Amino acid sequence: GAGVSQTPSNKVTEKGKYVELRCDPISGHTALYWYRQSLGQGPEFLIYFQGTGAADDSGLPNDRFFAVRPEGSVSTLKIQRTERGDSAVYLCASSLRSDGTGASYNEQFFGPGTRLTVL
Amino acid sequence: AQKITQTQPGMFVQEKEAVTLDCTYDTSDPSYGLFWYKQPSSGEMIFLIYQGSYDQQNATEGRYSLNFQKARKSANLVISASQLGDSAMYFCAMRERLTGANNLFFGTGTRLTVIP
Repeated sequence: GAGVSQTPSNKVTEKGKYVELRCDPISGHTALYWYRQSLGQGPEFLIYFQGTGAADDSGLPNDRFFAVRPEGSVSTLKIQRTERGDSAVYLCASSLRSDGTGASYNEQFFGPGTRLTVL
Repeated sequence: AQKITQTQPGMFVQEKEAVTLDCTYDTSDPSYGLFWYKQPSSGEMIFLIYQGSYDQQNATEGRYSLNFQKARKSANLVISASQLGDSAMYFCAMRERLTGANNLFFGTGTRLTVIP
C-alpha cells in the first residue's frame, strides 16, 4: 500500500520567496503531523492536524509559517518570506488517529521529507 | 530541560555483535510512550519499537529490544546480531499523554556504523 508521500523532494529557493510543501498522508489516517529536521538534529514538531483542524500549532516558529488541511487529507505547509535559517528537511507523518488516554500508542508513519534550501 | 537525551553521537559495532544505544528522558507525565526510529541515508524515519510507561515487560521486536528502566528514566535500544544494513541514524522519541500533546519529542540521534 502507499505510504506517506511528500512533494517536492527537494526545493531550492531564494531568500524572501514563498514556498509550499505538500504532504499526502496514508489513506484513512485522520492525524497528520509536520516536523522540521535541521542538519545534525532530531525532528522538531511544528503542527498537528486532527481531521481538517489544526489541533496544535505550538511548534510553528513564527507567523511566516502556516499549514492547512482543507479536506482532512492532503496538507500544505506554507512558508512566507523564507530565510536562510528555514533551510532544513521538512517531514510529514500521519497516524490512524490521535491518541486518547491510556498507554496505547498510535504509530506515526513518516514520509521521505522535503529538503528545503534557502539561498 | 531536554525531554530526550542521546549522549552517543556515534557508535561502531562489529557485524553480528550486539550494540546498545542510550536514551534518557525527562517528563513529569505519568503516562507516556517511548519510541525508537531508524533513519537511513534515504531520510525516511522507520519505526522500530515502542514502550509504554505502564508496560510491565520490556518491548521486543525481532532483533530489537528496549531496555526500559523507569526509575532511571532510561530507554536504551539493544540491537542484536548487527547487520550491515543497520548502519543508520537512530532516534529515541517520547510522546506524553496527559498533557494532551500528540507530537513526538526527539533526541539528537546516534549514528550507528556496522563494521564488516
